[in-house]
Amino acid sequence: SQQGEEDPQALSIQEGENATMNCSYKTSINNLQWYRQNSGRGLVHLILIRSNEREKHSGRLRVTLDTSKKSSSLLITASRAADTASYFCATRMDSSYKLIFGSGTRLLVRP
Amino acid sequence: DAGVIQSPRHEVTEMGQEVTLRCKPISGHNSLFWYRQTMMRGLELLIYFNNNVPIDDSGMPEDRFSAKMPNASFSTLKIQPSEPRDSAVYFCASRPPGAGGDTQYFGPGTRLTVL
Repeated sequence: SQQGEEDPQALSIQEGENATMNCSYKTSINNLQWYRQNSGRGLVHLILIRSNEREKHSGRLRVTLDTSKKSSSLLITASRAADTASYFCATRMDSSYKLIFGSGTRLLVRP
Repeated sequence: DAGVIQSPRHEVTEMGQEVTLRCKPISGHNSLFWYRQTMMRGLELLIYFNNNVPIDDSGMPEDRFSAKMPNASFSTLKIQPSEPRDSAVYFCASRPPGAGGDTQYFGPGTRLTVL
C-alpha cells in the first residue's frame, strides 16, 4: 500500500542549525502534508503542498516536492529547542479521503 | 476556539473489560477519523465518518471494535472485550468541509493500557 517513509528516523542537531527531513512515497498523489507531534500530544498540521507545486514556505519551514522522484523534504531553518518533536509526512491520493502517514522522524534540538 | 476534545486522556483497564473512548470534533467539521498509534505499527486509520455516516471501517481490527457517531458533535470508539494488544494511543481527528478540507485536526489522544 502507499506509504510515506521518512528519512532519517532520528536526527539530533544543535540549536540554530537547520534540520532537513525527507519523505518518499510510492504512488501518484493529490497532496502531501507535514505534521508535527510533540511527546504525549496529538499531531499538528504544519504545511500542505499540492502535486502541482514544487516549493512552499511557512515561517521557518520550507517544503519541496519532486513528483518525478516521489519525494518531499521539510527544512526547518534556525532550529530551536521547541522544535524538538516527531515529524510525519502524510500523502493523499486523488479520489481518496485517506491520509497515509509515514513512520516519522524524531528531531532533537539541543540547547 | 476549542480544538478536538477527547476523553479520557488516560485509561487503564483489565483484559476483558469494555472500554469507551469519546471524541468531540471541532464545530462545523463534517469529517471525523479515529486513528490508533503504536510504536510497532505507527499511525493507523481505524474508521472514517462523513456527515455522521461511517464511510470506511476497513481499518477496524476486528469485531471487538465498534464506533458510532450519533450526531455531528460526538463520536465514540468502543472495545469489547479489551485485550492487552489493544494498548495504544487512540486519536480522533476532524476535518472541515469544502475545498480547503484536506487538513486534519487531531485531538490530544487517549492513552489506553490494557493489563
